[in-house]
Amino acid sequence: EPEVTQTPSHQVTQMGQEVILRCVPISNHLYFYWYRQILGQKVEFLVSFYNNEISEKSEIFDDQFSVERPDGSNFTLKIRSTKLEDSAMYFCASRGEGSNQPQHFGDGTRLSIL
Amino acid sequence: GDSVTQMEGPVTLSEEAFLTINCTYTATGYPSLFWYVQYPGEGLQLLLKATKADDKGSNKGFEATYRKETTSFHLEKGSVQVSDSAVYFCAHASNTGGFKTIFGAGTRLFVKA
Repeated sequence: EPEVTQTPSHQVTQMGQEVILRCVPISNHLYFYWYRQILGQKVEFLVSFYNNEISEKSEIFDDQFSVERPDGSNFTLKIRSTKLEDSAMYFCASRGEGSNQPQHFGDGTRLSIL
Repeated sequence: GDSVTQMEGPVTLSEEAFLTINCTYTATGYPSLFWYVQYPGEGLQLLLKATKADDKGSNKGFEATYRKETTSFHLEKGSVQVSDSAVYFCAHASNTGGFKTIFGAGTRLFVKA
């Protein structure tokens, strides 16, 4: 069964540095998402992306965050200047066409900001 | 606004016990409903789904029925196993915008041998 893959599995970065989290969604999916989960807390929506543009974003997704689909397969989340509170597990997800389709999640990237 | 409320954990059960994890939602219209499971150290896996009222989703012995009248989607399993120990998230898909998934806070389940 096709799956969403994320790299790296764990990223350790100094505060203030830029970080890029990478995702390869399922190949025929059209909607792409990023979520984050701070340790022990709920999964929070960050952003959705469709047709090469952001379709919705949360208040968490401020100017420090950006997403990009640089080619036909990758979907990236960039944090320009990381803060301690950005430490979390970041999940990428994708879904196919149709409002009833579930999202398929990757295994996540654990981001640790020092 | 749209939200999902599920029972707080942790829930601790003995093997072969009956499991219920309550979940209620608020949403515009009639969203699709999901249960996701997160095993220790792993990502989110879709456990089951229901797309319309009275649908029953089922997988691996787990079941949940879409109850429009009570806006609920309670997760049940007749006989839990140690391997079911995980965090369970109730969720629904927004009907608007980018169809984001809205998650409950998660319920941690411990099953003892």
